[in-house]
Amino acid sequence: NAGVTQTPKFQVLKTGQSMTLQCAQDMNHEYMSWYRQDPGMGLRLIHYSVGAGITDQGEVPNGYNVSRSTTEDFPLRLLSAAPSQTSVYFCASSYSGSLFARGETQYFGPGTRLLVL
Amino acid sequence: AQKVTQAQTEISVVEKEDVTLDCVYETRDTTYYLFWYKQPPSGELVFLIRRNSFDEQNEISGRYSWNFQKSTSSFNFTITASQVVDSAVYFCALSEVMSGGYNKLIFGAGTRLAVHP
Repeated sequence: NAGVTQTPKFQVLKTGQSMTLQCAQDMNHEYMSWYRQDPGMGLRLIHYSVGAGITDQGEVPNGYNVSRSTTEDFPLRLLSAAPSQTSVYFCASSYSGSLFARGETQYFGPGTRLLVL
Repeated sequence: AQKVTQAQTEISVVEKEDVTLDCVYETRDTTYYLFWYKQPPSGELVFLIRRNSFDEQNEISGRYSWNFQKSTSSFNFTITASQVVDSAVYFCALSEVMSGGYNKLIFGAGTRLAVHP
């Protein structure tokens, strides 16, 4: 059971380049999400998904696309990278996302550090 | 709007000292959940505790204890007899119900704790 995995660990991009940050979980979780972490701001939600084929926007969705074709994978795409997207990106998953009352918690991946020049 | 404030940006202590990390929150939800996560220098996010809004019992886990006070909207975290391995950034987080009933986490900016030998 690997939990939540993310690749790559570190990436350098030039402005305007595109790339996909990969996220996978093997816990059969329906709910997956992407956060970005910036200094002094904690983590902010970019996009989330409540199951295969269902995605929605979080607080800071601009410049990012997501899709969810399988339960296991939730990639984050940057279509045209900008320096403002320099950040650390965390993928998280939980069983359902709406049942915190059942002792559910979110499990975070190890993060991807992205630098856009 | 939901908000989490961690007023202490950085704390520096000497090993074996007790240290308290403050967390104050604002929410419009009647039922909510509070979390603490630890981010060691390696960068991953480690779940520490989850607390329901209707359970104000304090909790102790080894050297860690948490004081939840609904009257002051605070969820403070105390480390007793701190150790160098406690050096990390600690995040307090609050659940927020989004449209559709799904939850996201609102994070504070984090408190960087440095424990010196």
